Amino acid sequence: SAVISQKPSRDICQRGTSLTIQCQVDSQVTMMFWYRQQPGQSLTLIATANQGSEATYESGFVIDKFPISRPNLTFSTLTVSNLSPEDSSIYLCSGGTGTNIQYFGAGTRLSVL
Amino acid sequence: SQQGEEDPQALSIQEGENATMNCSYKTSINNLQWYRQNSGRGLVHLILIRSNEREKHSGRLRVTLDTSKKSSSLLITASRAADTASYFCAPCSNDYKLSFGAGTTVTVRA
Repeated sequence: SAVISQKPSRDICQRGTSLTIQCQVDSQVTMMFWYRQQPGQSLTLIATANQGSEATYESGFVIDKFPISRPNLTFSTLTVSNLSPEDSSIYLCSGGTGTNIQYFGAGTRLSVL
Repeated sequence: SQQGEEDPQALSIQEGENATMNCSYKTSINNLQWYRQNSGRGLVHLILIRSNEREKHSGRLRVTLDTSKKSSSLLITASRAADTASYFCAPCSNDYKLSFGAGTTVTVRA
């Protein structure tokens, strides 16, 4: 298994600013993913973080709004840019191995004022 | 990846009772996973059942898979307050992405 550390655990941000979320895995994983969970909703996959190259985004998510980096196998960041109240959500990262199983961080609860 | 559809949406049971929830999906799978989420926290992987398996146990959890009906069930026996959570199924095909449905919210009453 893998232990995923995510920070910050929560933040309150002003409209128009950006928030960068960090995700650290304690062991090498094949894949890293970023999800959004809007209030009362299920998780939606934002993108797959690729080591050393551009992330692969799902439909409805774009790099300008959600830039993602993954400089090595165990670390990734997600930035949520130009924040608006609609971005208030929980953001989760996960790490996946070759078994399809994903291990999740505790999430970052973002509130935008 | 494809999304599973969990049923019921919500379930309320007395401590000590069993809880059963179901998952349906649309296309063939390699495996199906169940995850738990406690109150807006991260998801925790519970169990993975492969497409050639019919039943799997892990502690108080029992998962069944019927590929002919494209459905799975998760049974939690002798429920505890700590089982209060949302439960999600994730049917997995050939890629490594997971797609989650609305989940089943289980409330265990003392």
